[in-house]
Amino acid sequence: DQQVKQNSPSLSVQEGRISILNCDYTNSMFDYFLWYKKYPAEGPTFLISISSIKDKNEDGRFTVFLNKSAKHLSLHIVPSQPGDSAVYFCAASAHDYKLSFGAGTTVTVRA
Amino acid sequence: DGGITQSPKYLFRKEGQNVTLSCEQNLNHDAMYWYRQDPGQGLRLIYYSQIVNDFQKGDIAEGYSVSREKKESFPLTVTSAQKNPTAFYLCASSIGSHGTGELFFGEGSRLTVL
Repeated sequence: DQQVKQNSPSLSVQEGRISILNCDYTNSMFDYFLWYKKYPAEGPTFLISISSIKDKNEDGRFTVFLNKSAKHLSLHIVPSQPGDSAVYFCAASAHDYKLSFGAGTTVTVRA
Repeated sequence: DGGITQSPKYLFRKEGQNVTLSCEQNLNHDAMYWYRQDPGQGLRLIYYSQIVNDFQKGDIAEGYSVSREKKESFPLTVTSAQKNPTAFYLCASSIGSHGTGELFFGEGSRLTVL
């Protein structure tokens, strides 16, 4: 049973516009959330994270929002750049060693 | 450069053969992990190890085995008991003994069963 869900398998956005990626989770014990970015034939790289004690975390062009009551988080990329074209994975942890990953959203930034 | 090295990058195996994927890290991380990625699915945890000579099963451990004899090394053996081994395998590591969740990944090994 998948505890982390990314319901949009793909997203296409024009360069300079905002990309919004969504993620839902079912396990109320999750208290730490992360986004990873993956290029083809490479391993994922850490992008940004948020603890459950916060509802927003910002790092440059990337902002993650957490809505605990809705069990929902989102990643905003503003402005989107061609180098942002990749697969983005949402992940969650109950502060143990195991991360549960979503299926990923493929972002394509059009010039 | 510090990082995680997986080898081989591509591997072909005949049905019924065991195969071992190598994972080495020079980050001095305590914890190491093996994940499997299939199309349309998230990364699924196979095995993880928090310290040397100790490891635990993840969500899909059947048909796999691991060892952790050295801090730097965490090889994964895909045995003939794994019914659907064709996949992209990712090794990762993390700092310390309290999981903040941030993992550092290798570049992956793609296994194809012929």
